[in-house]
Parts: sequence; structure tokens; C-alpha cells
Amino acid sequence: DVKVTQSSRYLVKRTGEKVFLECVQDMDHENMFWYRQDPGLGLRLIYFSYDVKMKEKGDIPEGYSVSREKKERFSLILESASTNQTSMYLCASGREINGYTFGSGTRLTVV
Amino acid sequence: RKEVEQDPGPFNVPEGATVAFNCTYSNSASQSFFWYRQDCRKEPKLLMSVYSSGNEDGRFTAQLNRASQYISLLIRDSKLSDSATYLCVVNEDNAGNMLTFGGGTRLMVKP
Repeated sequence: DVKVTQSSRYLVKRTGEKVFLECVQDMDHENMFWYRQDPGLGLRLIYFSYDVKMKEKGDIPEGYSVSREKKERFSLILESASTNQTSMYLCASGREINGYTFGSGTRLTVV
Repeated sequence: RKEVEQDPGPFNVPEGATVAFNCTYSNSASQSFFWYRQDCRKEPKLLMSVYSSGNEDGRFTAQLNRASQYISLLIRDSKLSDSATYLCVVNEDNAGNMLTFGGGTRLMVKP
């Protein structure tokens, strides 16, 4: 069965901390995505990657960066966490013709 | 304007009812269409793809109307366990390689 694993379900970080969210997929997909989801705003694309060492900005990249050193791993980095980055973060992988598979999400609280 | 639009609901229906959701999309060149289901505080999960000829999976029927640029999801004999948010998903990107998620329609099935 297809699997996307996010390293943490819940995280609490302090304002100004550097935060790493890890995502690993076992499906050999080229495409991986990071979204955040907030009440009333739906899913918003932060960054995506079509291949190793390749990254593209999504709709809301400000305050975030990403790393894709290996095909199976796509990391989201909050350079200096702020309270407005408190959110549910969802990683996904897949192709548009088959739909994406999501990880179980990381609920991040920045205090 | 939003590229993929859904009525956010909530749709409150009794058990056993039939309920239908519609979703409109803006890109007439879109080729891939899906319905996802998302339970509260969980990740979205693929419910079904939507094919041009329409398709059925048990109590769920999906239809595509290219001329009017909408897709629909029909749920027959609603169960309490159908309560969730249903996301309409379309590949809206002109390059054809990204999926765009609607904001979701919330369904609540009551005893």
C-alpha cells in the first residue's frame, strides 16, 4: 500500500526557532508537495518538487524553504517560526493523472 | 476568482437520504478530476476518480459535465460514517501537471 510518512503528528515550537518538517514516501514518485491547511482557507500549496534537488514555489512560499536531497524525502523548513505559521502541514506525493497521496499531517503550534 | 469552486455547506441530511454535491472548474482543458474525502483533523484521502463516462463505486456516483465545466458526487443511502468534508480536485494548471483543490463541502449525516 502506498505510503507517505510525516515525522511528527504534533509539534510545539517557539517564535524564532528553525523548524524542520520531514516527509518520506515509498512509492518512487518524482512529484512531492507541501501544503498548509487552515480553517476557511482550504489547502494552500507552499512548495513542490518534480525531482531531486529541484524545487518550485507554490502559492504561499514566504517564510518557508524546502530541501529534496533524495527522491523519497522532501523537507519543509521554517527559517524563523512565527505565530502565523501555526497550522496543519500536509505532505503529498503522486502524479496528477492518479491523484495525490497525503501524509497524516503535522499540526504545528508556534508560541 | 477561485479556480475550483464548491458550496462549503454544511449539508445536514438524515440517515438514508440521497445527497449530491457539485463543483465547478475554470479551465476547459482540465483532464483529471477526483473527489477526496477528509475527516475532521485527518488528511484528505482519495475517494474516487471521475471519468468522462461517469463512474460508480457502491453508493457513490461521480459525473463529469465538460460542457458546463462541473463535476458532481452523488451519495445514496447516506450513513453516519459518510459525515466528512468532500474535496473536489481538478488539474487546473495549464501545463497539466498540478492538481487544484476546492475548499470542500461539509456533509453531516444525522440519525
